[in-house]
Amino acid sequence: GENVEQHPSTLSVQEGDSAVIKCTYSDSASNYFPWYKQELGKRPQLIIDIRSNVGEKKDQRIAVTLNKTAKHFSLHITETQPEDSAVYFCAYSPGNTGFQKLVFGTGTRLLVSP
Amino acid sequence: DTEVTQTPKHLVMGMTNKKSLKCEQHMGHRAMYWYKQKAKKPPELMFVYSYEKLSINESVPSRFSPECPNSSLLNLHLHALQPEDSALYLCASSLVGGTNTGELFFGEGSRLTVL
Repeated sequence: GENVEQHPSTLSVQEGDSAVIKCTYSDSASNYFPWYKQELGKRPQLIIDIRSNVGEKKDQRIAVTLNKTAKHFSLHITETQPEDSAVYFCAYSPGNTGFQKLVFGTGTRLLVSP
Repeated sequence: DTEVTQTPKHLVMGMTNKKSLKCEQHMGHRAMYWYKQKAKKPPELMFVYSYEKLSINESVPSRFSPECPNSSLLNLHLHALQPEDSALYLCASSLVGGTNTGELFFGEGSRLTVL
């Protein structure tokens, strides 16, 4: 089936700590894995994505790793700041939908305390 | 212009009403989407239009009727909704094809309450 498991559901860290969110998917034909951030009352926004031809991608304090064999991918945020507090959704695109369909994980509420 | 604009921001309707949600983008994106998001839940895909043609319908009840009049506009017509349809309705757009295919640009959403 089309589903993606996301853990943890909530994550509280101190400012400056690292945060890691993990997702596991089921469709082995998937090849696009984005992460979206949704602040309270705001729209979801893409923060980073990875395609299946690479194992890791970094953008400043944010990195994503992909293990296609194990069918899981993870978001890593280093040196967290209070403005990183939000709900983070992983997602994947089922293999036969040309990136047009995204299946979202259940979300992780990240709270960064000063 | 890098925005997806949705109107109205808030809508309250009765179960016998007919209303419409509207979405507009001027980024030249040829794919447009409707998602439904309940509180503390992820967005759920409803419909996808690609080049103004409906390409994906996620088995959405017929009381929701999408329309794509042109490449910049997307409507969602609502009729005989149920209270459980109350949610945030998000419109999104994206490129079709190319290396940046896939990134969704979301609007702020229309918060719908069905009484």
